[in-house]
Amino acid sequence: SQTIHQWPATLVQPVGSPLSLECTVEGTSNPNLYWYRQAAGRGLQLLFYSVGIGQISSEVPQNLSASRPQDRQFILSSKKLLLSDSGFYLCAWSVSTSSSYEQYFGPGTRLTVT
Amino acid sequence: KNQVEQSPQSLIILEGKNCTLQCNYTVSPFSNLRWYKQDTGRGPVSLTIMTFSENTKSNGRYTATLDADTKQSSLHITASQLSDSASYICVVSGPGNNRKLIWGLGTSLAVNP
Repeated sequence: SQTIHQWPATLVQPVGSPLSLECTVEGTSNPNLYWYRQAAGRGLQLLFYSVGIGQISSEVPQNLSASRPQDRQFILSSKKLLLSDSGFYLCAWSVSTSSSYEQYFGPGTRLTVT
Repeated sequence: KNQVEQSPQSLIILEGKNCTLQCNYTVSPFSNLRWYKQDTGRGPVSLTIMTFSENTKSNGRYTATLDADTKQSSLHITASQLSDSASYICVVSGPGNNRKLIWGLGTSLAVNP
């Protein structure tokens, strides 16, 4: 069976500090991978999307970046965090050839920028 | 503008009762509509996914309906349980690349004993 892991679960970082969130998927090959952010009182916002190693699509301009160094590893980074980066970050995967387009979510990382 | 609107924003019901959550969307063209359940502090979990040709789909005590003509969907929960307390999110997808999901803000459901 497939599983998706995210860490850390919670993180408190000062403004201007760097960020690295990691997501890994097990039990599947060549998944589509996604990073979402869920701010308080707002719907999920797609940040980045990847269909393969080294292939990253950015949905919104911001001070965040994403990388996919391995097939089942997706990393979200920032060089300098802003207060507005606070939120609940979710990683998700989908089977690239699935007609159901189902997305499966990880447990999330709660980021608080102080 | 592609939008998904849900109502009510929040709902409180007693355990054992039924409830219905609403979703209206303006996404066009339309490919499929999903309902997710999100427990507090957790990632969303899929309940149902329906294409434009389907008008109802069930998953246990959850039944989703879809009217593609009026662009409305509902999620009916039967015989609610305390564990049903969560946010229920309606998500609409356009055709082609499945990353283009439009997320609603969700309905926060509280089931009280």
